[in-house]
Amino acid sequence: DIVLTQSPALAVSLGQRATISCKTNQNVDYYGNSYMHWYQQKPGQQPKLLIYLASNLASGIPARFSGRGSGTDFTLTIDPVEADDTATYYCQQSRNLPNTFGAGTKLELK
Amino acid sequence: EVQLKESGPGLVQPSQTLSLTCTVSGFSLTDYSVHWVRQPPGKGLEWMGVMWSGGSTAYNSALKSRLSISRDTSKSQVFLKMNSLQTEDTAIYYCTRDLGGDDYFDYWGQGVMVTVSS
Repeated sequence: DIVLTQSPALAVSLGQRATISCKTNQNVDYYGNSYMHWYQQKPGQQPKLLIYLASNLASGIPARFSGRGSGTDFTLTIDPVEADDTATYYCQQSRNLPNTFGAGTKLELK
Repeated sequence: EVQLKESGPGLVQPSQTLSLTCTVSGFSLTDYSVHWVRQPPGKGLEWMGVMWSGGSTAYNSALKSRLSISRDTSKSQVFLKMNSLQTEDTAIYYCTRDLGGDDYFDYWGQGVMVTVSS
């Protein structure tokens, strides 16, 4: 199984940039696509798709969110951070079954 | 409007079988695949398996011996059955829609909390 590693937590000030990283133990690129996706989950809610295929913004997601990366190193950036962004962020790979998720990064405000 | 809704028992006894139903609306099961993902309380997400739009299935190898996913397209329902439940199977169980056929999930049900306890 592909293992995804995320930092457990990140504290950022309002209006600043948050960069959340996700590293995989295997390459998740295939035929020009990076099979890495990002979700936001707030307490008591289901996850919400933010970014798919590494850098594509999901429908209805504000442009403050962006994703980049390839191979084994990926980042989700939120710029500028707003109060509503406090949540846990998960990366997920779909290069190989089983689909696997990172353990999540909890974003908090300073 | 796309919707998915999980239903099933909130409490299951150890060693028993869990049966969950995901009822979808706003799309066809023959056009989109539906996956099951679970989340133990306070923990991360675990992919369980998928009912592909074409009717075949795939399972997480960690659960494969206990898990079965099926569907009834006429009722727009996907079913999950997992046997030999243990306390570590206590979790919120979600069904999700696969947006582009590349196993990323644009719509999620609200989830159903399943507790395994005697």
